Amino acid sequence: DAKTTQPNSMESNEEEPVHLPCNHSTISGTDYIHWYRQLPSQGPEYVIHGLTSNVNNRMASLAIAEDRKSSTLILHRATLRDAAVYYCILRDDQGAQKLVFGQGTRLTINP
Amino acid sequence: NAGVMQNPRHLVRRRGQEARLRCSPMKGHSHVYWYRQLPEEGLKFMVYLQKENIIDESGMPKERFSAEFPKEGPSILRIQQVVRGDSAAYFCASSLGPPEEKLFFGSGTQLSVL
Repeated sequence: DAKTTQPNSMESNEEEPVHLPCNHSTISGTDYIHWYRQLPSQGPEYVIHGLTSNVNNRMASLAIAEDRKSSTLILHRATLRDAAVYYCILRDDQGAQKLVFGQGTRLTINP
Repeated sequence: NAGVMQNPRHLVRRRGQEARLRCSPMKGHSHVYWYRQLPEEGLKFMVYLQKENIIDESGMPKERFSAEFPKEGPSILRIQQVVRGDSAAYFCASSLGPPEEKLFFGSGTQLSVL
């Protein structure tokens, strides 16, 4: 699986937007970009995924660079419940189904 | 529709005992994955199973660890002769399989080895 690079930690304030970056310069044409998050003492939770176009759902938006070498997860209005470790993962559509987690970004939300 | 159920939530074992961790996937899901998370570390893939078959066990330690997903009943992760280094959170996930992209995770089993 191709590697991703994320900042170890980020901090934001409640009710402000949060932009979580992810670099994946070695992404291949069949790799989907997945985001999961893990709240304290819980299992990971699916957030969003995309291939080429920007994606929106009720939790977040995913902005994918035109060359696909980077992407940004956008939380439009952070709440205290969004404090978690966020993982950016590449998953090959053609290959194994497993997810390979990196270290992720620990997001802290200040009240 | 109940989510992925793992039990027990907490398991305490003494060194040398066996640990059995259970995972009931979401209804209709036939693909199961096991992950381990050591304290203050990321999630490490262990094994991927479909009903009655092990598809990918590249992350499983060669000794003492085994996994199964029988035709009927939950998936079981079994650790024989536990050691202190096995203390970790063990997470199970399930999916419908391709082309479904999402994995749904359980709340995990926290294994403590005394």
